[in-house]
This record gives sequence, structure tokens and C-alpha cells, in this order.
Amino acid sequence: EDQVTQSPEALRLQEGESSSLNCSYTVSGLRGLFWYRQDPGKGPEFLFTLYSAGEEKEKERLKATLTKKESFLHITAPKPEDSATYLCAVQAVGGDGGYNKLIFGAGTRLAVHP
Amino acid sequence: EADIYQTPRYLVIGTGKKITLECSQTMGHDKMYWYQQDPGMELHLIHYSYGVNSTEKGDLSSESTVSRIRTEHFPLTLESARPSHTSQYLCASSERGLNTEAFFGQGTRLTVV
Repeated sequence: EDQVTQSPEALRLQEGESSSLNCSYTVSGLRGLFWYRQDPGKGPEFLFTLYSAGEEKEKERLKATLTKKESFLHITAPKPEDSATYLCAVQAVGGDGGYNKLIFGAGTRLAVHP
Repeated sequence: EADIYQTPRYLVIGTGKKITLECSQTMGHDKMYWYQQDPGMELHLIHYSYGVNSTEKGDLSSESTVSRIRTEHFPLTLESARPSHTSQYLCASSERGLNTEAFFGQGTRLTVV
């Protein structure tokens, strides 16, 4: 069964304290892995797409990496405004062969304190 | 910023009422989606569409229905709301193609009392 698991569920950091969020997945026919940021009461905001093992993407203090079984979102010297829930989603080939399913993890709630 | 809009943002409605959640996008995307999300939980796909006159049910069973008469518009309707329908509903769209990212609206927080 296709599955996406994110850890930890919640993470509390001091401002400037770097850390990593994990997204492990088991899917058949991975098409791509996506990272989103979601602020309370809002829709997810797209951050990165990764397609193949070894690929890396960077944006400001965030860096996403991908292996064959998991992805990491590294946060370097975080600031309070980085506080949000970070969602991982994988796109896999759908059962009908046409639709590529987007399967979300439950997310990691990040709180960065001054 | 993605140009996808949902209305209303918040809705409190009584049991048995018919409601329609609106979703519009100005990006010309062929694919559109409706997700349901409970607090602290995963997003679950309830409906999707490849294009005009195309609608399919997602992985999570839902009593709602959708229509796609115009490319930019993908409304979701509940004929008779129940408290179990209380949730956040998120609309998204993406370009045609296999590996394209989805862009989300701000969501509609529905409460059925």
C-alpha cells in the first residue's frame, strides 16, 4: 500500500538551531516528491519538487534532498517566521494508469522560538 | 503566488442544508482537485478532474459531488450537510502533465451544527 510517513510530528527549535525533517515513503512507481509549507488555517504553499534520488533543491534557509526511500528537509539557522507545518507528498502512478495520485503525509509542525 | 480562490473561507451551517463550496483558478490549469483535511491530519483526495466534463472520485469516500463545466471553475456541493461533514476543504489545480506540482487555495473551513 502506498504510504508517506513524516517525522517528527512536532519539532521545537530555538532561533538559529538547524535541524532536519524526515519524509519516508513506500510507493509503487514514484513520479515525484513535493514539499509544501502550510500555515494555520491556510492552504499548502508549494516549496520544492524532487524527481530522482540524489537530487537537491534549495530556497533561502531550506534545502530538500531525496533518496530512494526518503526525503529530508533541512532547515539552516531557522527564524520564527519559518514556524509552520511542513507537508511531504509523493506522486505515484494511479490504479487506473492515468491519474497520478498525490499522497500526503500528516506533516511536521515546526515551532521556532526567538 | 498561486491564483486559485475559494469561497467562502468560513461557513457555519445547520444540518440538512444544501451548500456549495466555490473554487476558481485563473492559471488555465486542466487538472483540479478537492482535498479534505481534519486538524493535524493528512490531506485526503475526495474528487479530481482532468478537464471540462471530467470528474472522478478520489481515495476518500465523500457524499459530496462536483462539476466541471468550465476550465476555471470546480465547485463542490453537499446536498444535505451533516455534522460529520465538518472539516477543512482545500481546492487545488495543476498543469497537464505527469509530474506537475499542485497549487492550493486558502481553503474553506466548514462547520455543520
